[in-house]
Amino acid sequence: QQQVKQSPQSLIVQKGGISIINCAYENTAFDYFPWYQQFPGKGPALLIAIRPDVSEKKEGRFTISFNKSAKQFSLHIMDSQPGDSATYFCAAGIQGGSEKLVFGKGTKLTVNP
Amino acid sequence: DAGVTQSPTHLIKTRGQQVTLRCSPISGHKSVSWYQQVLGQGPQFIFQYYEKEERGRGNFPDRFSARQFPNYSSELNVNALLLGDSALYLCASSAPNQPQHFGDGTRLSIL
Repeated sequence: QQQVKQSPQSLIVQKGGISIINCAYENTAFDYFPWYQQFPGKGPALLIAIRPDVSEKKEGRFTISFNKSAKQFSLHIMDSQPGDSATYFCAAGIQGGSEKLVFGKGTKLTVNP
Repeated sequence: DAGVTQSPTHLIKTRGQQVTLRCSPISGHKSVSWYQQVLGQGPQFIFQYYEKEERGRGNFPDRFSARQFPNYSSELNVNALLLGDSALYLCASSAPNQPQHFGDGTRLSIL
């Protein structure tokens, strides 16, 4: 029940295309859903986060869509650029308390020029 | 402003040894969390400390321990190292109800 399932494992898109990464969770107590971007040799960097009281959040080229009833959320990267090539992780947590984040297994995104 | 800093960046140990990893949080952050990231996987929660008290513990054996100091820096200790402990160990800090910010980790290799 603590798992976060992420797909696809890897994704190749052309420059200017849309990258879509999907995640699903089971624990309905989760109330915080961040996305992290990780480059080789670096720690995860927060991209964007959403709470279940909104269905969509947009920051620049990055958009999170959230479907509470389906217990799913997704990251859309518009106008994907080669510099977006990295591994992306979705996560879920419960704000307050232990602030433990449960991460998906990651999606390796490659954007071809 | 300085981000989360971790030391050392790389470490090589042999089986059975003990290791101590260090983390300095972002200034003003009182919460520190530790994660283990095995190659090709997402980070797994190990511990969270807030105001020097343990707030959460993940599914890791008692060989793993941690503490937080009055200046909010933290140490993660792992005893009796196993080959399977080879991983990137990440530290994250946060303010209450704010996102966690990660350091670049300590790469631990067990021979």
